[in-house]
Amino acid sequence: DSGVTQTPKHLITATGQRVTLRCSPRSGDLSVYWYQQSLDQGLQFLIHYYNGEERAKGNILERFSAQQFPDLHSELNLSSLELGDSALYFCASSVEGASTDTQYFGPGTRLTVL
Amino acid sequence: QKEVEQDPGPLSVPEGAIVSLNCTYSNSAFQYFMWYRQYSRKGPELLMYTYSSGNKEDGRFTAQVDKSSKYISLFIRDSQPSDSATYLCAITGFQKLVFGTGTRLLVSP
Repeated sequence: DSGVTQTPKHLITATGQRVTLRCSPRSGDLSVYWYQQSLDQGLQFLIHYYNGEERAKGNILERFSAQQFPDLHSELNLSSLELGDSALYFCASSVEGASTDTQYFGPGTRLTVL
Repeated sequence: QKEVEQDPGPLSVPEGAIVSLNCTYSNSAFQYFMWYRQYSRKGPELLMYTYSSGNKEDGRFTAQVDKSSKYISLFIRDSQPSDSATYLCAITGFQKLVFGTGTRLLVSP
């Protein structure tokens, strides 16, 4: 168990809908990262927050947004969902935010868009 | 060209075999090299981490980096069925962590 929690475990929704994925980092970790994993694309970095502020952006679509709250938990919002958004979404956390930090991954949220 | 290339496999080996997993990368500015292991329906977990050329050993696992060739490898000795998982290389530098697509390894008893 990495200490990172994600809810929900599974989410099934329809095209055009909006969903929110939630992540609680390990105790003491200030950084939260979001990744999307699909079969053909592998693990794609979406966004990184450090202590409430956006630190880096990866391949995140404009339909997606995230935030990190004062208690350091984070939410990833996905809107106007398309079939291609079906994937595993992972959250990871690290102590600081250096690229050399070990990232601890949560169990993921499996999103299915029908 | 992808920043990190990794053969997706699957790679099937019998128990006890030596396994070699490989990645190539394109940007010589990358400085730190990691291997993550991901079991089915779980998140990736860090297996090994190295930042210099050469070998780093941890039990049955050896990570090898050749910066001149931009090539990294993970060797698993005496492979076990419990090693069956997807192995992802990850390369980092300049506030960026890039993962390979992962190689699925199947070790049969």
